[in-house]
Amino acid sequence: EAQVTQNPRYLITVTGKKLTVTCSQNMNHEYMSWYRQDPGLGLRQIYYSMNVEVTDKGDVPEGYKVSRKEKRNFPLILESPSPNQTSLYFCASSLIGISGGYTFGSGTRLTVV
Amino acid sequence: EDQVTQSPEALRLQEGESSSLNCSYTVSGLRGLFWYRQDPGKGPEFLFTLYSAGEEKEKERLKATLTKKESFLHITAPKPEDSATYLCAGTNYGGSQGNLIFGKGTKLSVKP
Repeated sequence: EAQVTQNPRYLITVTGKKLTVTCSQNMNHEYMSWYRQDPGLGLRQIYYSMNVEVTDKGDVPEGYKVSRKEKRNFPLILESPSPNQTSLYFCASSLIGISGGYTFGSGTRLTVV
Repeated sequence: EDQVTQSPEALRLQEGESSSLNCSYTVSGLRGLFWYRQDPGKGPEFLFTLYSAGEEKEKERLKATLTKKESFLHITAPKPEDSATYLCAGTNYGGSQGNLIFGKGTKLSVKP
């Protein structure tokens, strides 16, 4: 089944403890992206990647890191999480070009206390 | 500033009561307008892409249309299973991928 897989689905952590949210897609998509979704603010892009070793900042990149060493994987790294990073995170992927839209993962609900 | 605005924020319909959701955009050089459906606790699911004013696309009870300033998602004779949040997004990237600018969504509830 074609899909984007995120792990974990739920995570509660403490301020300052480094964490990684994994994202993997099995569709050979070049493009991958991370979004966060907050009530009243909608979906906002954190980082995106056009291909292996090519990443760029979205609208809200502060406090996050990403890497794209393999085409299928695009992990999101929070080096020192803070409570304002409590949010619902989505990974998405697509072929290059805008026709097909994104395929989104099921989301990771992160709580930082 | 590029922006996508959806209205209403929430819409309650009776089963079979047709209506429309609105998406207005101020994305300079718009190259694509997307509609997604999002169920609670799940990721958005792609519905349609519209490229140019006058274009229409249909899927079951849903029809999306695009003008130069806004897009509409028409829901004909909705059923309770159409209840979800509908998201609109725009992009001004052409051949390469870039940032989708999302609206905040319209939460649709369809009562039997």
